[in-house]
Amino acid sequence: DQQVKQNSPSLSVQEGRISILNCDYTNSMFDYFLWYKKYPAEGPTFLISISSIKDKNEDGRFTVFLNKSAKHLSLHIVPSQPGDSAVYFCAATLTGNQFYFGTGTSLTVIP
Amino acid sequence: DTAVSQTPKYLVTQMGNDKSIKCEQNLGHDTMYWYKQDSKKFLKIMFSYNNKELIINETVPNRFSPKSPDKAHLNLHINSLELGDSAVYFCASSQEPNRASLPQHFGDGTRLSIL
Repeated sequence: DQQVKQNSPSLSVQEGRISILNCDYTNSMFDYFLWYKKYPAEGPTFLISISSIKDKNEDGRFTVFLNKSAKHLSLHIVPSQPGDSAVYFCAATLTGNQFYFGTGTSLTVIP
Repeated sequence: DTAVSQTPKYLVTQMGNDKSIKCEQNLGHDTMYWYKQDSKKFLKIMFSYNNKELIINETVPNRFSPKSPDKAHLNLHINSLELGDSAVYFCASSQEPNRASLPQHFGDGTRLSIL
């Protein structure tokens, strides 16, 4: 039962353009959402998060948007840089005790 | 100074063997986790310990037994390995449980391959 889904396994974007990664979830009770970034042969590293009481959170080039009615969140990276090429996982949690991860989207930023 | 370290990084072994994966964190965190990432890249929690006590135990075969000798270590022992156990296993830690705003810190994973 996959409660968090990332339906695009891969995405290619030109350097300098915007990257938009999408994530859908099924459990309307989730109250916190996170994005992790993962390079090959490394573990995921935390990138940005958002509480369910907000609809937007921004940190430098990274912005996460939350649409609770659609049970959808997205990560915007602008401008995209070659070093952003990685796999991005979204995760959701209820109370913070257990985290549910999506299957990841592999982003390639083309120089 | 690696925050969450796992050993070994790669583990290739025969079906039926028993193996252990070790995890240590030097962040002073109270909570540690084991995740399994299968061939479909689905990252799923297996166990969570808070201060050496088991707090999450998902539906995992009892061939998998976590052990936490202290709050900085959470080891995973697997008995009678099966082909389906082939996966990447990630250890993670967080400052405390039940705080969604405190992100988890992951190790680099242990790639387990069963022959």
